[in-house]
Amino acid sequence: DAMVIQNPRYQVTQFGKPVTLSCSQTLNHNVMYWYQQKSSQAPKLLFHYYDKDFNNEADTPDNFQSRRPNTSFCFLDIRSPGLGDAAMYLCATSRTGYFNEQFFGPGTRLTVL
Amino acid sequence: QKEVEQNSGPLSVPEGAIASLNCTYSDRGSQSFFWYRQYSGKSPELIMSIYSNGDKEDGRFTAQLNKASQYVSLLIRDSQPSDSATYLCAVVMYSGGGADGLTFGKGTHLIIQP
Repeated sequence: DAMVIQNPRYQVTQFGKPVTLSCSQTLNHNVMYWYQQKSSQAPKLLFHYYDKDFNNEADTPDNFQSRRPNTSFCFLDIRSPGLGDAAMYLCATSRTGYFNEQFFGPGTRLTVL
Repeated sequence: QKEVEQNSGPLSVPEGAIASLNCTYSDRGSQSFFWYRQYSGKSPELIMSIYSNGDKEDGRFTAQLNKASQYVSLLIRDSQPSDSATYLCAVVMYSGGGADGLTFGKGTHLIIQP
């Protein structure tokens, strides 16, 4: 079945220790998104790729970076995680732009010690 | 500021009844609307999309859109305990440069009582 896959499902890191989260998709969608969701809050868009074009949200901290080496894979790098970065990180894809339905992966729960 | 508003609940509905979830949005130019279901600790799951005024039905779910009043709702008929979850309303917002992205409401926590 076509799907969005995220690894790992749970990630524990130490304060300031870089961490990379990965997302892959078999839907062959052009757009991949990264969201941050904290407890009882709405998902917050960090950035997205439309094909190879990177689009950063204005309020996304510089501590967060992303890479999309090919259509199927996208990575979220957190260079120096702080306690406030503990959250669920959600990867989503859509066929073309925002107007299309977005499909989410299972998420990665990040804990910062 | 572009916003999507939902009553956080909890909304408690007896099993077998109709659950009605509401959402209002601030951007009059919005054209694309989505409902997601999110179980605790899980990721959002797309339930419905709606783009035109009126009703759209899919199984036990009906989405209703009224662009003039800037609200969108989700009805769940014959509610089941497995419908207990948080329901997120999401709206595509626009700025002068085009679509700004998908803005989510904080969600309504729905509890179906057996």
